[in-house]
Amino acid sequence: AQTVTQSQPEMSVQEAETVTLSCTYDTSESDYYLFWYKQPPSRQMILVIRQEAYKQQNATENRFSVNFQKAAKSFSLKISDSQLGDAAMYFCAYRRSGATNKLIFGTGTLLAVQP
Amino acid sequence: DARVTQTPRHKVTEMGQEVTMRCQPILGHNTVFWYRQTMMQGLELLAYFRNRAPLDDSGMPKDRFSAEMPDATLATLKIQPSEPRDSAVYFCASASYGPQHFGDGTRLSIL
Repeated sequence: AQTVTQSQPEMSVQEAETVTLSCTYDTSESDYYLFWYKQPPSRQMILVIRQEAYKQQNATENRFSVNFQKAAKSFSLKISDSQLGDAAMYFCAYRRSGATNKLIFGTGTLLAVQP
Repeated sequence: DARVTQTPRHKVTEMGQEVTMRCQPILGHNTVFWYRQTMMQGLELLAYFRNRAPLDDSGMPKDRFSAEMPDATLATLKIQPSEPRDSAVYFCASASYGPQHFGDGTRLSIL
């Protein structure tokens, strides 16, 4: 069975600084997708970034980028130039290949941004 | 922007009552998921449908929970009878060829 582990329950970063959230996963599949979702206090689940396992290039979306290490089964999220609006719970998620497969979530990392 | 719509946004009811949560997936999405979020268990899949057919409901307590898709624009999750341990946020998500899009969730409180 696939599992996703986020070992940092809470993180804190100063505004304008960079922070990295960790995620590891376990799977025997070779083709899969990884995601980072953001959940602010409004409880919406917002897709931040996604990575296809077959792509070696790390995904980037503006201030958000990932470090995908397939052999190590590691998928960390880097937030650059942190903003107050980045404060939220961040979930790492895994999905087998195929858009209509279920997501398996980690336990989340609560990110605080200090002004 | 197309959105997944969930109703109600909040529900407070007494133990033993029937609860029905509704979800309108994004038009054209053929797969609908129900997730539950609690402090203790985090986010976990309850059930999901593809082309309105149930594919996996192994995460759902069968004795009290039921999920249906009467048509392509409506998915329902029912709890009968409800119990305090069912208190949680219930999310619906839909997908087609891309990532899953989530609704805003129903916060359920069972007294």
